[in-house]
Amino acid sequence: EAQVTQNPRYLITVTGKKLTVTCSQNMNHEYMSWYRQDPGLGLRQIYYSMNVEVTDKGDVPEGYKVSRKEKRNFPLILESPSPNQTSLYFCASSLSTGTEGNQPQHFGDGTRLSIL
Amino acid sequence: GENVEQHPSTLSVQEGDSAVIKCTYSDSASNYFPWYKQELGKGPQLIIDIRSNVGEKKDQRIAVTLNKTAKHFSLHITETQPEDSAVYFCAANYRDNYGQNFVFGPGTRLSVLP
Repeated sequence: EAQVTQNPRYLITVTGKKLTVTCSQNMNHEYMSWYRQDPGLGLRQIYYSMNVEVTDKGDVPEGYKVSRKEKRNFPLILESPSPNQTSLYFCASSLSTGTEGNQPQHFGDGTRLSIL
Repeated sequence: GENVEQHPSTLSVQEGDSAVIKCTYSDSASNYFPWYKQELGKGPQLIIDIRSNVGEKKDQRIAVTLNKTAKHFSLHITETQPEDSAVYFCAANYRDNYGQNFVFGPGTRLSVLP
């Protein structure tokens, strides 16, 4: 089954304790992205990756890091989490922009992070 | 950069009625507009999309219209059913350093009342 898998689904942790949210897709997609979802603000992009070893900042990258060493994995790293990073996080993937332009994104089911 | 507005933020309709959600975008170069449905505890799922070379696209009870001149696009759901209750997001693409990316609207919470 084609899917984007995030882990963990829920995490409560404390300020300053490094954490990693993993994201894996099994569709051989080139493009992957991380979003955070906050009430009234919709989905805001944190980082994205066009392919292996190619990443760039989205709209709200402060306090986050990513890496793309393999095509299927795109982990989100919070080196020193703070309470304002409490949010619902989504990973997404799609085929790369081709001759037809953008392709639909497939989303994971989300990771709810609470930073105390 | 691209900015996407979405209205209304909440919408309640009676079962069987139609629902319309409207979005506007700012970047005239945008040419791909997907719509996503998000159910409770799930990630957004694509329900329909439209590219700038067409003005309307339909898939059963769902349709999307695009007005490139006015820079707005709308989602139309006919004969609504309780299972249509969800949060709906529109999005528009834009070009940046590496290629193309997306900006999402803030979402519309649709409630279909039995």
